Amino acid sequence: DTGVSQNPRHKITKRGQNVTFRCDPISEHNRLYWYRQTLGQGPEFLTYFQNEAQLEKSRLLSDRFSAERPKGSFSTLEIQRTEQGDSAMYLCASSFPGPGETQYFGPGTRLLVL
Amino acid sequence: DAKTTQPTSMDCAEGRAANLPCNHSTISGNEYVYWYRQIHSQGPQYIIHGLKNNETNEMASLIITEDRKSSTLILPHATLRDTAVYYCIVRVNAGNNRKLIWGLGTSLAVNP
Repeated sequence: DTGVSQNPRHKITKRGQNVTFRCDPISEHNRLYWYRQTLGQGPEFLTYFQNEAQLEKSRLLSDRFSAERPKGSFSTLEIQRTEQGDSAMYLCASSFPGPGETQYFGPGTRLLVL
Repeated sequence: DAKTTQPTSMDCAEGRAANLPCNHSTISGNEYVYWYRQIHSQGPQYIIHGLKNNETNEMASLIITEDRKSSTLILPHATLRDTAVYYCIVRVNAGNNRKLIWGLGTSLAVNP
């Protein structure tokens, strides 16, 4: 399968712990996006990378959140000192630049903070 | 805030066409219309997008009005597996403003 992959698919953690999620984009895509989705809502943008450069960050991305894409390929999203409000589905998407640029999404990582 | 409005929910009989409307009255000339769907607990799935002309692919057809203020996604022969939340999004493909801004979408139920 050459689509976007995310690991882990599910994560249960205790409040205060740190968690890290990984996203592997479609191989030729140089843009990578992170979104967060809570129950009953549409996805909300968190941040996006072009190659290794982080070009935009949402105000939703508090100081406890950090995202990296060190070699312009896979990306990681880390949440430090998790809170119960961080419980959500974390979605990754990738795209290739062009007039009809389309973001393709992975299956998501579902986080539950107890 | 999302720049589109969609009905909260719709029903469709299996085998019939599902026509999902979307209003985007403030769309700019360089903004594309994108449609995604999300089946329960899965990541969003890209369906189709367009700028001015009607578009068709193996999944659906997209009809955009001449003034571009609204569009309709057509699933020609809906199946039970098409039950999902359908999102209509407008976005410009230029500059560094690349994010998709999602509304609540339309929850489509395909009934046997």
